[in-house]
Amino acid sequence: GEDVEQSLFLSVREGDSSVINCTYTDSSSTYLYWYKQEPGAGLQLLTYIFSNMDMKQDQRLTVLLNKKDKHLSLRIADTQTGDSAIYFCAERASGTYKYIFGTGTRLKVLA
Amino acid sequence: DTEVTQTPKHLVMGMTNKKSLKCEQHMGHRAMYWYKQKAKKPPELMFVYSYEKLSINESVPSRFSPECPNSSLLNLHLHALQPEDSALYLCASSQDVGQEGPNTEAFFGQGTRLTVV
Repeated sequence: GEDVEQSLFLSVREGDSSVINCTYTDSSSTYLYWYKQEPGAGLQLLTYIFSNMDMKQDQRLTVLLNKKDKHLSLRIADTQTGDSAIYFCAERASGTYKYIFGTGTRLKVLA
Repeated sequence: DTEVTQTPKHLVMGMTNKKSLKCEQHMGHRAMYWYKQKAKKPPELMFVYSYEKLSINESVPSRFSPECPNSSLLNLHLHALQPEDSALYLCASSQDVGQEGPNTEAFFGQGTRLTVV
């Protein structure tokens, strides 16, 4: 199937780390993305990883990829109230245009 | 410039109206996309244009008609819509996937919030 699964909701305290998880389906060469969507807005690309990588770090963001389990995670260090949003993971098979989005995780950061 | 611009931001239309959504990018991207997003749901792909030719149509009803007049512009013409078509319509663009590399991620616009009454 084409389901990309995420947990629906995550609540953390300001300054803590957040970990958002995603399970994807395509086992072929794949790009995996994390997007952020604030209320009423479009999708903002945060970071991406190719399936031949295990980890990618970009400032406060760390992406971990477990290819065996088809599990992707996004860790946000020192979470701020401005990080409150819905986070979508997405997969795209190499050579295709079709992005398949996860169900989205709503992150709420408590002050 | 990594901006995808969509107009209008909000649109209210009747079921007998004809309207168009517009999308523009100046990143030199040769792939452009229309997505539909209902509240609390992920975006769903509608259409993909590659080099100004329709590449993917995800079985979208004919009351939605896409058009790509040039490599920077993408339109979505709307006619005889139904209330259930009310949603956020997102445009995106990316490099051509035939040139896979670190820059093939899709950039999204802010969307048009469409309400059909």
